[in-house]
Amino acid sequence: EAQVTQNPRYLITVTGKKLTVTCSQNMNHEYMSWYRQDPGLGLRQIYYSMNVEVTDKGDVPEGYKVSRKEKRNFPLILESPSPNQTSLYFCASRQASNQPQHFGDGTRLSIL
Amino acid sequence: LAKTTQPISMDSYEGQEVNITCSHNNIATNDYITWYQQFPSQGPRFIIQGYKTKVTNEVASLFIPADRKSSTLSLPRVSLSDTAVYYCLVGASGRAAGNKLTFGGGTRVLVKP
Repeated sequence: EAQVTQNPRYLITVTGKKLTVTCSQNMNHEYMSWYRQDPGLGLRQIYYSMNVEVTDKGDVPEGYKVSRKEKRNFPLILESPSPNQTSLYFCASRQASNQPQHFGDGTRLSIL
Repeated sequence: LAKTTQPISMDSYEGQEVNITCSHNNIATNDYITWYQQFPSQGPRFIIQGYKTKVTNEVASLFIPADRKSSTLSLPRVSLSDTAVYYCLVGASGRAAGNKLTFGGGTRVLVKP
């Protein structure tokens, strides 16, 4: 089954404790993205990747890092999480830039 | 990047047609228009995509006027299960354009019995 898998689905942690949210897709897609979703603000793109070792900033990249060492995985790294990064996060992938995105089920992060 | 504007919410009744208009005045020549549906606690799901004129699939139609500064998603004969948030997305096509995408604020559609 074609899918985008995120882990963990839920996480409560404390300020400053590094965390990684993993994202994996089994569709051999070239393009992958991370979004955060906050009430009243909709979906905002954090980072995106057009292929292995090719990443770029989206609209809200501050406080986040990503890597794309292999095609299927695109982890989101919060080196020093802060409470303003409490949000619902979605990973997405697509085969080409004019193709629709496939989204994961989301990761709800709470930073205390 | 093209900014998009949608109504915040719309109410409808079962069996009616729902039309949601998205404004994207600064759309670029190579931008596509894509609509997604999102239920609570789930990721957005693709509904329909178009570049110009009209596109229709089994669940919706997308109308895009000649100037492409807006688009209208049409949901025929909605049911209670169509209650969701609908997002309009404008993004570039082609490798040179990259993958930077901007979602609108979303339109919350409530279908009543």
